Amino acid sequence: GESVGLHLPTLSVQEGDNSIINCAYSNSASDYFIWYKQESGKGPQFIIDIRSNMDKRQGQRVTVLLNKTVKHLSLQIAATQPGDSAVYFCAEIPSGTYKYIFGTGTRLKVLA
Amino acid sequence: DAGVTQSPTHLIKTRGQQVTLRCSPKSGHDTVSWYQQALGQGPQFIFQYYEEEERQRGNFPDRFSGHQFPNYSSELNVNALLLGDSALYLCASSLDLIYGYTFGSGTRLTVV
Repeated sequence: GESVGLHLPTLSVQEGDNSIINCAYSNSASDYFIWYKQESGKGPQFIIDIRSNMDKRQGQRVTVLLNKTVKHLSLQIAATQPGDSAVYFCAEIPSGTYKYIFGTGTRLKVLA
Repeated sequence: DAGVTQSPTHLIKTRGQQVTLRCSPKSGHDTVSWYQQALGQGPQFIFQYYEEEERQRGNFPDRFSGHQFPNYSSELNVNALLLGDSALYLCASSLDLIYGYTFGSGTRLTVV
């Protein structure tokens, strides 16, 4: 069935280090992918997106990598800060649909 | 500029009751999508409304229904509540059917 899963449920990193959050998706027909950040008590907040015709996209301190061969998505956060502590979700949008398929999330903990 | 506004923020209902949740989209947005997020899980797509019509529906029973008004605001109705309906209900708005979602902070529904 359709699913978007994450390899690590919790990731702890030292402040200032780089973080890498991984995600596997199952629908090869998906053509749009998004990373969201969700802080406690808040709704998901858009971080960065990428379309299937791209392999890499960079934002401010964040980079998303897409490997369509192995259906893998990753989010890299440079110089991780305490404010980056949150749950991170990847989401895929299968071609021809309007629904986002979210994974279960990875909790990022930034250690001082 | 107000983002997506949801009301109420929290509510408690008894099994078998009915509930209505409300969403005001971000200014300029005309598309509203609803998601259910169980504790510790990623959001699950319920349905999307555009031009006052349901455009797509996820795997939710008919107990879940919705409506979009001419001013683009939306309601989510759930009938015959079950304990398993306890979740955070998220509303997302956009100017496009797929891209540029903005999520609200959600309504926390507890069914007892």
